[in-house]
Amino acid sequence: EILMTQSPATLSVSPGEGATLSCRASQSVRSNLAWYQQKPGQAPRLLIYGASTRATGIPARFSGSGSGTEFTLTISSLQSEDFAVYYCQQYNNWLSITFGQGTRLEIK
Amino acid sequence: EVQLVESGGGLVQPGRSLRLSCTASGFSFGDYAMSWVRQAPGKGLEWVGFIRSKTYGGTAEYAASVKGRFTISRDDSKSIAYLQMNSLETEDTAVYYCTRDFSSSGSGITFLDYWGQGTLVTVSS
Repeated sequence: EILMTQSPATLSVSPGEGATLSCRASQSVRSNLAWYQQKPGQAPRLLIYGASTRATGIPARFSGSGSGTEFTLTISSLQSEDFAVYYCQQYNNWLSITFGQGTRLEIK
Repeated sequence: EVQLVESGGGLVQPGRSLRLSCTASGFSFGDYAMSWVRQAPGKGLEWVGFIRSKTYGGTAEYAASVKGRFTISRDDSKSIAYLQMNSLETEDTAVYYCTRDFSSSGSGITFLDYWGQGTLVTVSS
């Protein structure tokens, strides 16, 4: 099973600033990496797939990068609605998927 | 508009069974693989399993933690996916989400573009 490790566990950032979240895979997943956002009491929402492609309706301040084992989600100029938990997910073999443990992005 | 609505959650004793349903609308249900993902209280996301489209045999794959206890099935005529959960354990307590795979090929699992609102399953005596 491919393990996904996210860091940091919690990130404190002021509104208007940028944030960088990291995700590492235990083995190469090529570009088969997605990011989700989850707010309290809500289902997760797809943000990024293919490591860097924004899903429909996702603002341009969200960007993804990386390939292989190292991935980054960058949020520029944080808005109040961006404070949430973010998960990465790999889908390298089309038979199973695994999620990272999540990064909580909180207001500083 | 794509909608996924889960139902069937509730309180169940350890060792008993429960069946969840996911009613889909707004897309060609039979073309897509469908997955279940769960989230224990205050915890992260855990993939449970998925079922392929009938084009690819309608077969299912499961996470190791539920294999042999949980079964995913589908009724394309009703646009419903099911999660049959047997031999439930307290560790199965979670919100269970029904999700749609992004790819309309229906052959495997990739990433999940639509999620239901979730249904809570509590396993306790």
